[in-house]
Amino acid sequence: KQEVTQIPAALSVPEGENLVLNCSFTDSAIYNLQWFRQDPGKGLTSLLLIQSSQREQTSGRLNASLDKSSGRSTLYIAASQPGDSATYLCAVNQGAQKLVFGQGTRLTINP
Amino acid sequence: NAGVTQTPKFRILKIGQSMTLQCAQDMNHNYMYWYRQDPGMGLKLIYYSVGAGITDKGEVPNGYNVSRSTTEDFPLRLELAAPSQTSVYFCASVNDRFPNQPQHFGDGTRLSIL
Repeated sequence: KQEVTQIPAALSVPEGENLVLNCSFTDSAIYNLQWFRQDPGKGLTSLLLIQSSQREQTSGRLNASLDKSSGRSTLYIAASQPGDSATYLCAVNQGAQKLVFGQGTRLTINP
Repeated sequence: NAGVTQTPKFRILKIGQSMTLQCAQDMNHNYMYWYRQDPGMGLKLIYYSVGAGITDKGEVPNGYNVSRSTTEDFPLRLELAAPSQTSVYFCASVNDRFPNQPQHFGDGTRLSIL
């Protein structure tokens, strides 16, 4: 059974810092890995999707990497801003677009 | 473009009552999903559908039923509400006709069973 773990569960950093969120998964047979952002009381917004054949994807200040053989992904956020405060979830696609989620990292950026 | 619309946004039920959570998407997506999210946890898949008339169980299907009579709608039915079903429910959809597309999520239904 696929298990997805995110570390740390919560992170608080001052504005302007670069930071890394971690995601690990137990079964490397995945189609893709996705990073989502969740604001309080809201649904999930897709940030980045990395195909199983890719090593990384970038969007603006966000960069996600994937090492399928070791079962790890990282989300790098550059020059953090208070507006980046949210919960970040990673999920792996096991086929039929069925996603297995980690429990999330709650990120707080302090002005 | 509304995307994925869930109704109601909030609901309180008594133990043993039944209700239907509604989900509709206007993006002509063929795949649709229901997830639940318990406090401090990630999402778990309840049921999914790969097209009208086709549904299948996810990781936590017990106590729920679904149907998919149209491409647009994917309602989730709770027949005998139990306190363990207190959660936030999210509906999602994706167009699987194109590879590697992210899922689109609704804003959720917050359900309390008392």
